[in-house]
Amino acid sequence: GQNIDQPTEMTATEGAIVQINCTYQTSGFNGLFWYQQHAGEAPTFLSYNVLDGLEEKGRFSSFLSRSKGYSYLLLKELQMKDSASYLCAVRDSNYQLIWGAGTKLIIKP
Amino acid sequence: SQTIHQWPATLVQPVGSPLSLECTVEGTSNPNLYWYRQAAGRGLQLLFYSVGIGQISSEVPQNLSASRPQDRQFILSSKKLLLSDSGFYLCARGAGGDQETQYFGPGTRLLVL
Repeated sequence: GQNIDQPTEMTATEGAIVQINCTYQTSGFNGLFWYQQHAGEAPTFLSYNVLDGLEEKGRFSSFLSRSKGYSYLLLKELQMKDSASYLCAVRDSNYQLIWGAGTKLIIKP
Repeated sequence: SQTIHQWPATLVQPVGSPLSLECTVEGTSNPNLYWYRQAAGRGLQLLFYSVGIGQISSEVPQNLSASRPQDRQFILSSKKLLLSDSGFYLCARGAGGDQETQYFGPGTRLLVL
């Protein structure tokens, strides 16, 4: 079967750095996505990785290792507004997105 | 700009009642359209997707159906709701291609009692 694993919940301090991991086992790989979802709202797109390495977008970076079936989302200079769930999704060989259950990130002052 | 509208925003329906959720897209032509359901603490579940008018693919057999009567309109329906149909229903659009990114509408929260 296909599986995306993420930690259920993480806590970090305002101004700090946090890394949210995602491991996947899918039938084929055609890209990995990270989305942010605030409580009660729809997911919003953060990043896309299809090749190994680090993609940086301001305070957010995403890393991919296809050989290890592993990705992480790195959030720097954490702000209270970063409190949200972060969803990892992988596009499989049928070009369908397989979604993880999300990691709830709690930011404390 | 490209915008996705969904309505209603919230809905409370009794078991056995019918359902119709509408999604419309602005600012793009011939988008791929998707219906997802999100249950609490679980990943998004793809219900239906459509690559064009009248073309619907179903991912999960259930008592729901979808239709695409116009290029920018995607409708999710049920003849008789079940308690298990409660959840957050999200419509998404994509431009197609190998590196398609999906963008979501605001969602409809459905509670079946």
